[in-house]
Amino acid sequence: AQKVTQAQTEISVVEKEDVTLDCVYETRDTTYYLFWYKQPPSGELVFLIRRNSFDEQNEISGRYSWNFQKSTSSFNFTITASQVVDSAVYFCALSARNGNDMRFGAGTRLTVKP
Amino acid sequence: GAGVSQSPRYKVAKRGQDVALRCDPISGHVSLFWYQQALGQGPEFLTYFQNEAQLDKSGLPSDRFFAERPEGSVSTLKIQRTQQEDSAVYLCASSLGSSGRYEQYFGPGTRLTVT
Repeated sequence: AQKVTQAQTEISVVEKEDVTLDCVYETRDTTYYLFWYKQPPSGELVFLIRRNSFDEQNEISGRYSWNFQKSTSSFNFTITASQVVDSAVYFCALSARNGNDMRFGAGTRLTVKP
Repeated sequence: GAGVSQSPRYKVAKRGQDVALRCDPISGHVSLFWYQQALGQGPEFLTYFQNEAQLDKSGLPSDRFFAERPEGSVSTLKIQRTQQEDSAVYLCASSLGSSGRYEQYFGPGTRLTVT
């Protein structure tokens, strides 16, 4: 069975602070894919990143960075120098090799205050 | 280019009514997914199509839920005899391929309220 846990329900920070969103996953598959999606108040899920289970390199994209650690089954997401526009619900998701059943975590609501 | 579109964006139905929700995926995308998102929760998988074939419907909560994609493009999710517990946002997503490595692109969703 596959499961994604996002233990942080809500996080509130002040603009320019760094913030890390945690994601822990469970799977018996050796090949799998991890994703982060952003859901702004408008409601549409926006794809941010995909990692496959064989690539543990951390990735940085502008103010966003991701830390994938198989040893702890975690795929954490850090926003550096947060901005008000980063306010949204962020979802971590896990997909098996066959791709037909993506499991989402419950989401973390991030509020960035000016 | 055009993304995934869904219609209607909002639907209010009286309990017992049938509803039909439409999804237009990104052109050329092989895979199409339906999810149900309850308030404050993550999307929950309902069903999956690869072209016109419905390969997985394990997430459909009851036999009142039915989905189709007859020509491998547009898909319709139908809910018969709606119940209050069906109130949720219904999300459609499409992806280029059929493997888990392809990211899914989501539509804006249809918010269904059953009164």
